[in-house]
Amino acid sequence: GAVVSQHPSWVICKSGTSVKIECRSLDFQATTMFWYRQFPKQSLMLMATSNEGSKATYEQGVEKDKFLINHASLTLSTLTVTSAHPEDSSFYICSARREAAGYTFGSGTRLTVV
Amino acid sequence: GENVEQHPSTLSVQEGDSAVIKCTYSDSASNYFPWYKQELGKRPQLIIDIRSNVGEKKDQRIAVTLNKTAKHFSLHITETQPEDSAVYFCAASKGGGGSNYKLTFGKGTLLTVNP
Repeated sequence: GAVVSQHPSWVICKSGTSVKIECRSLDFQATTMFWYRQFPKQSLMLMATSNEGSKATYEQGVEKDKFLINHASLTLSTLTVTSAHPEDSSFYICSARREAAGYTFGSGTRLTVV
Repeated sequence: GENVEQHPSTLSVQEGDSAVIKCTYSDSASNYFPWYKQELGKRPQLIIDIRSNVGEKKDQRIAVTLNKTAKHFSLHITETQPEDSAVYFCAASKGGGGSNYKLTFGKGTLLTVNP
């Protein structure tokens, strides 16, 4: 079945530094990937839609200069949290859609900014 | 944009009982409705989905019903077991390109199955 690999699974970084999260589709090509953020005991909130070879589409209220998304190939999308602050601490999950097979989620990244 | 409402936010049942979770959506163009189970700290796992050309779908103890006219869909779990305890999310999306495929999630239901 469709597999999406996400790394790292957890990361602790200092305030002001940047963190990159990778999302790879292992057995299919994903022209579109999605990045979600999930706070404890809350739902998944879509941050942006990542399109291979073009600019990402950000949801309202999401700072595109803070959450940089790059989708340079059909199997890799990256999310970079720039100048991270404690309020950016959250669970970040990527997802890819496979034609006629629905959506597959990565295992998520627990980001803690100290 | 699409808005998905989910109820109840918490649900506690006795083992062996049935559990029902309901969702409504706002965009009549939505045509794909998946349900996910998420355990603490884990990724959402698809448990069942339904498309707008179908009114009901069943997979063993799990079933989903869809009422397009009323714009609501429901998850039914029969003969619940303690391992069914988790957070369940409904979602909706519509066909098209790029962002049209995005999933909009409900707020989730914490299901607790008591032994």
